[in-house]
Amino acid sequence: DTEVTQTPKHLVMGMTNKKSLKCEQHMGHRAMYWYKQKAKKPPELMFVYSYEKLSINESVPSRFSPECPNSSLLNLHLHALQPEDSALYLCASSLETSNTGELFFGEGSRLTVL
Amino acid sequence: QKEVEQDPGPLSVPEGAIVSLNCTYSNSAFQYFMWYRQYSRKGPELLMYTYSSGNKEDGRFTAQVDKSSKYISLFIRDSQPSDSATYLCAMATPYGGSQGNLIFGKGTKLSVKP
Repeated sequence: DTEVTQTPKHLVMGMTNKKSLKCEQHMGHRAMYWYKQKAKKPPELMFVYSYEKLSINESVPSRFSPECPNSSLLNLHLHALQPEDSALYLCASSLETSNTGELFFGEGSRLTVL
Repeated sequence: QKEVEQDPGPLSVPEGAIVSLNCTYSNSAFQYFMWYRQYSRKGPELLMYTYSSGNKEDGRFTAQVDKSSKYISLFIRDSQPSDSATYLCAMATPYGGSQGNLIFGKGTKLSVKP
């Protein structure tokens, strides 16, 4: 199993809603990541978890709240988002954070904020 | 000057052509060089991974790194319509072994016409 599974694939939410994006991998990877990708742009790193502990937060606004309940799961909780937060949110994993560059990405959750 | 420069294209070639995709970079500390392929509305997929200088071949794909010129290339032989995608170069330094060092190029959109 070499997959990173993300749900939901599409999400439309209002600025006052609370929603969550979910990510799951069963490859035994101990590093998991959230990236944000706008149209025709490369992915931008948001958060890095290493062994279920947050190791990098790239100055992301607090309306995005990550959570890593266990080594296979990664959530991104969304609250009071802005229309400019509309993007493709990508989850990725790697064996460890030291496996530089060898990321396995999910298909992404396409978020639209109205 | 940006750390990684990549021509966004689009690049359109006929089926069977040899495709050359390139990135230049300014940070001499980069040691890891990757090419990711991203189909429309999908997550990026690691295509090639190279450490330091040299060539690496995998089927129809060849990755080249020239650290003296700070220039990396991806060649696709006998291109197929299924190769139509956006190709992202990515680079990283070994410092701290953190994926936070991964820097993506903007991506080149390739279209292979039957």
